[in-house]
Amino acid sequence: EPEVTQTPSHQVTQMGQEVILRCVPISNHLYFYWYRQILGQKVEFLVSFYNNEISEKSEIFDDQFSVERPDGSNFTLKIRSTKLEDSAMYFCASSEAARDTEETQYFGPGTRLLVL
Amino acid sequence: GENVEQHPSTLSVQEGDSAVIKCTYSDSASNYFPWYKQELGKGPQLIIDIRSNVGEKKDQRIAVTLNKTAKHFSLHITETQPEDSAVYFCAARAEYRDNYGQNFVFGPGTRLSVLP
Repeated sequence: EPEVTQTPSHQVTQMGQEVILRCVPISNHLYFYWYRQILGQKVEFLVSFYNNEISEKSEIFDDQFSVERPDGSNFTLKIRSTKLEDSAMYFCASSEAARDTEETQYFGPGTRLLVL
Repeated sequence: GENVEQHPSTLSVQEGDSAVIKCTYSDSASNYFPWYKQELGKGPQLIIDIRSNVGEKKDQRIAVTLNKTAKHFSLHITETQPEDSAVYFCAARAEYRDNYGQNFVFGPGTRLSVLP
């Protein structure tokens, strides 16, 4: 069964450093998402991406964040200057479409980011 | 914006008993309600979903009911097994507006423990 994959599984970085989290969505999916989950808290939406542009973003997704689809398979989340409060699990998700039966979002296993 | 509440936050049941988790949402425009199961160290996995044009959906031991008037939906797990132990998240997604991906708003989660 196709699945969303994410790398790395864990990332430790120093405050102020840049990190790039990588995702490979399911191959025939067109919509991509990033969510984060601070330890013990709910999953929070960050950004959705379609047709090579951001379609929606939350207030969490400020100027330190950016997303990119550098090639036909990868989808990345970049955090330019990490802060302690960026420590969280980051989930990538993808969906075939955004409506009807194709809107189901499939989540990857996550990248646990720890900012020291 | 949408707000999703979920109860209880923790639930312990004996193996073989039923478990019920309830969610309420605030945006009457929401029309798609997935339930995700998250096991320790893994990403959320879709277990069942329901759209606003139906009131109930069942898949083996799992069922979801939706009351649009009251804006609440519930997950029912019958004949619980130890492997059902996980954190369960409900989510809501607002009505499709255009071709762009829509984000989900998640509830805070319910930690279900099935005791052997």
